[in-house]
Amino acid sequence: DAGVIQSPRHEVTEMGQEVTLRCKPISGHDYLFWYRQTMMRGLELLIYFNNNVPIDDSGMPEDRFSAKMPNASFSTLKIQPSEPRDSAVYFCASSLKNSPLHFGNGTRLTVT
Amino acid sequence: QKEVEQNSGPLSVPEGAIASLNCTYSDRGSQSFFWYRQYSGKSPELIMFIYSNGDKEDGRFTAQLNKASQYVSLLIRDSQPSDSATYLCAPEGEGNKLTFGTGTQLKVEL
Repeated sequence: DAGVIQSPRHEVTEMGQEVTLRCKPISGHDYLFWYRQTMMRGLELLIYFNNNVPIDDSGMPEDRFSAKMPNASFSTLKIQPSEPRDSAVYFCASSLKNSPLHFGNGTRLTVT
Repeated sequence: QKEVEQNSGPLSVPEGAIASLNCTYSDRGSQSFFWYRQYSGKSPELIMFIYSNGDKEDGRFTAQLNKASQYVSLLIRDSQPSDSATYLCAPEGEGNKLTFGTGTQLKVEL
């Protein structure tokens, strides 16, 4: 099992640019989660999907953030326009119902 | 009150000692509790989970849960330098959703 796969591993961009983060969950998992981690705020849940449907997006900081899951094997998190305060490590995780989350290696985003 | 509270540490223990990591949570509806370990620069990895009040042991790790007090802890026996990491507590909410504490940094000293 390849685990949860995220790309890119590192992203450096300038303020105002669009950023797209990608995630491939573990095959067969029907839950997918996007988290953001910073030193100040820890690991925060942004949004999660069940069977490709967004269930709770209350953690999405503002309209600049959007997430999609067009099929069971792919999800994106987009930030447009990006700002320096978006700099963080973004994790994707997947799971089965009532089972632990499995995290990807994360994408370290730096917005200058 | 934060949903999940952990002492950020660092908690320093000598090699071979018992490390005790604590966590309190606010959602009385939480039924399942997870402990994740995160090494610096890495992703969180599951160590243990516990559903029932009392203790659950797995090797050198013991999770303790007290739902009445809304308290969950993780004990690490015979601490090793390789246990040095940040430990994250996460009660499970609706829909498999985990809310993480900010984590406790553990340092095991030689």
